[in-house]
Amino acid sequence: DTGVSQDPRHKITKRGQNVTFRCDPISEHNRLYWYRQTLGQGPEFLTYFQNEAQLEKSRLLSNRFSAERPKGSFSTLEIQRTEQGDSAMYLCASSVEGGRGGYEQYFGPGTRLTVT
Amino acid sequence: DAKTTQPPSMDCAEGRAANLPCNHSTISGNEYVYWYRQIHSQGPQYIIHGLKNNETNEMASLIITEDRKSSTLILPHATLRDTAVYYCIVRVAWGEAGTALIFGKGTTLSVSS
Repeated sequence: DTGVSQDPRHKITKRGQNVTFRCDPISEHNRLYWYRQTLGQGPEFLTYFQNEAQLEKSRLLSNRFSAERPKGSFSTLEIQRTEQGDSAMYLCASSVEGGRGGYEQYFGPGTRLTVT
Repeated sequence: DAKTTQPPSMDCAEGRAANLPCNHSTISGNEYVYWYRQIHSQGPQYIIHGLKNNETNEMASLIITEDRKSSTLILPHATLRDTAVYYCIVRVAWGEAGTALIFGKGTTLSVSS
């Protein structure tokens, strides 16, 4: 399967710890996005990369969050000093430039974070 | 981006057509209508999108009213695997106003046998 993959699928951590998630997009996709989804809500945009450049960040992305895509391939999302409010599903998506009006994004299965 | 309004939930019998409405009365002329769905414990999945004309693909049909203030997603023969949350999203063309998909709460479609 050559879809978007995310690792780990589940993460339980204690408040105050740092966590890092990985996303591997579809290989030919140059655009990569991170979203966060809490229970009962739709996904909320966090940040966007085109190749290795981080071009857009939501105000939801506090200074405890950092995302990288060092070689324009996989991406990591790190949360420092986790808080209980960070508990959510973290979704990664990728897309190819010019595809289907620009908004056909392929989502991974997500990483479910629980902060205790 | 235009705000969308969807019913919180709908039921459909297996094998029947599921018609999911979306109201976007403040849509602008350069805004597209996108539909995504999210099956439980999975990431969202693109279904279809359109600007003015009706669209059909292997998954669904999209009917947009002439005034573009509302649309309907049609799953012609719903199966149990179509049970999901369906999101209607209105967006300008890529690059004109950011890059994010803005999801609301969507419609939870329950297909039963």
